[in-house]
Amino acid sequence: GENVEQHPSTLSVQEGDSAVIKCTYSDSASNYFPWYKQELGKRPQLIIDIRSNVGEKKDQRIAVTLNKTAKHFSLHITETQPEDSAVYFCAAGRGGFQKLVFGTGTRLLVSP
Amino acid sequence: GAVVSQHPSRVICKSGTSVKIECRSLDFQATTMFWYRQFPKKSLMLMATSNEGSKATYEQGVEKDKFLINHASLTLSTLTVTSAHPEDSSFYICSATKGTDSTYEQYFGPGTRLTVT
Repeated sequence: GENVEQHPSTLSVQEGDSAVIKCTYSDSASNYFPWYKQELGKRPQLIIDIRSNVGEKKDQRIAVTLNKTAKHFSLHITETQPEDSAVYFCAAGRGGFQKLVFGTGTRLLVSP
Repeated sequence: GAVVSQHPSRVICKSGTSVKIECRSLDFQATTMFWYRQFPKKSLMLMATSNEGSKATYEQGVEKDKFLINHASLTLSTLTVTSAHPEDSSFYICSATKGTDSTYEQYFGPGTRLTVT
């Protein structure tokens, strides 16, 4: 089955810096890679996702890149703000009705 | 929109009793719902995939007789924790997907915090 690894487990940056979180997956059939942001005690919220037919996707300060050959994908947050502080999870799946396998999470702390 | 609700948000029960958690898609039909368990500061662990009108598919290591899942309609799935024990205390989150070609997104409920005393 699918296995997703995520690094780093914690990431501390200064406000305005960039943050990068990396994930690798094992199942070459996975074709959907979402990123979720979860604040303490709250539900995960989708912040960006990418499908395997695309190498990069950007939405304002957030971007995701995908390397299918190497089976890894990354989340890039530019101009970080304190409100970006949360736990970020990557996931991989086959889309549609198929299940997602989540990474172990990255706790991002943005200091003012 | 795509809103998923869960009820209750918090529940405390005594060891040996059963607890039912509801997951509802409020403004869309969800053929498939997923149930996750999340321990403090840990990732989401998929427990089972729930399909409307059929038996749930449980992940390896999840006891299907302990965690009963029913998906009786396109907008409601329930998780019943039977004979709960303190080790079942956790944050349980459901998600629902429209599962169409245009979107693969899973929409998450707000979660239910279960405490077994």
